Amino acid sequence: KQEVTQIPAALSVPEGENLVLNCSFTDSAIYNLQWFRQDPGKGLTSLLLIQSSQREQTSGRLNASLDKSSGRSTLYIAASQPGDSATYLCAVNDAGNNRKLIWGLGTSLAVNP
Amino acid sequence: DTGVSQDPRHKITKRGQNVTFRCDPISEHNRLYWYRQTLGQGPEFLTYFQNEAQLEKSRLLSDRFSAERPKGSFSTLEIQRTEQGDSAMYLCASSFEGLYGYTFGSGTRLTVV
Repeated sequence: KQEVTQIPAALSVPEGENLVLNCSFTDSAIYNLQWFRQDPGKGLTSLLLIQSSQREQTSGRLNASLDKSSGRSTLYIAASQPGDSATYLCAVNDAGNNRKLIWGLGTSLAVNP
Repeated sequence: DTGVSQDPRHKITKRGQNVTFRCDPISEHNRLYWYRQTLGQGPEFLTYFQNEAQLEKSRLLSDRFSAERPKGSFSTLEIQRTEQGDSAMYLCASSFEGLYGYTFGSGTRLTVV
């Protein structure tokens, strides 16, 4: 059974720092992995999608990597800003589960001015 | 096409009443998913459709919940005889074959009083 873990659960950093959020999964049979952002009381915004054949994806200050063999993904945020404060969720598109998303519990990020 | 739309954004209802939510997916997407999310948790899978067929329904979904997707376009989620434990954010997502990433709507926040 696929399980997704995100570390740390919460993170507080000063503005301007580069930071890394971690996501691990137990079964490497995945189609892709997707990182989402969620603001309090809001829906989910897709940040980056990495297909299983890819190693990384970049969008602006965000870079996500995928190491399928070790069951790990990282989301790198460069030069963090207060507007980056949100919960970041990692979801694995599980090949063994009819392509449903399996979710981590998220990392709650606070970037302090 | 402006993405996945959900209506209403917020719903407050008295315990025992029935409620219905609507989701309009991205038109090219043949899969539509319903999730439920409570505070501090990741999204919890409820059910999904491929075109008009409901292919899977979570065992967590009681008989009070029903979902439809007539003609494979928009979907409705109905909760009958609401209970306070039904209070949550109800999220809808769509994708093409579950392969190329998921797009989520803004969610419907249900409060049962």
